[in-house]
Amino acid sequence: DQQVKQNSPSLSVQEGRISILNCDYTNSMFDYFLWYKKYPAEGPTFLISISSIKDKNEDVSFTVFLDKSAKHLSLHIVPSQPGDSAVYFCAARFGNEKLTFGTGTRLTIIP
Amino acid sequence: EAGVAQSPRYKIIEKRQSVAFWCNPISGHATLYWYQQILGQGPKLLIQFQNNGVVDDSQLPKDRFSAERLKGVDSTLKIQPAKLEDSAVYLCASSTGTFVYEQYFGPGTRLTVT
Repeated sequence: DQQVKQNSPSLSVQEGRISILNCDYTNSMFDYFLWYKKYPAEGPTFLISISSIKDKNEDVSFTVFLDKSAKHLSLHIVPSQPGDSAVYFCAARFGNEKLTFGTGTRLTIIP
Repeated sequence: EAGVAQSPRYKIIEKRQSVAFWCNPISGHATLYWYQQILGQGPKLLIQFQNNGVVDDSQLPKDRFSAERLKGVDSTLKIQPAKLEDSAVYLCASSTGTFVYEQYFGPGTRLTVT
């Protein structure tokens, strides 16, 4: 039972444009959501998070949006740069339960 | 500050052999996690320690996997005997506490079972 889904395995975006990565979840009890970024041969690195009491959180060039009614969150990267090419994982958590990760989306920024 | 350290980085073994992975978390981090990431999937929690006690091992295949965190610092994860389906990247992560959401990951150990 995949409770956190990233339906796009890959995404290509032109440098300078906006990248939008999507994530859907099924468990309405999730109350905290995170995005991680992973380069090859490295572990995931925390990017940004959002609590279920908010619908938006911004940090420099990253913005996460949460739509609880649709059980959907998205990560916006503006502007997209070559260094943003990586695999992005969304993850969700309920209380102090374990993190549940999505399957990841490979983002490629085209120069 | 130094990050989470893991060794070895790569390991190739034959099925039915045993293997062990080592993790040293960030200094002062009380909570340590072991994840298994199979190709094309997201990381899946195997076991979580708070200091040297187990918080969650519900997804650890206990017939072949074992883990310990003696003295509440570094940790080892062992597989004995290995199966082909154990081929994956094993990630170690740490955080300052169980109720802290941000986890810091090590580079992982890529295990190939032939």
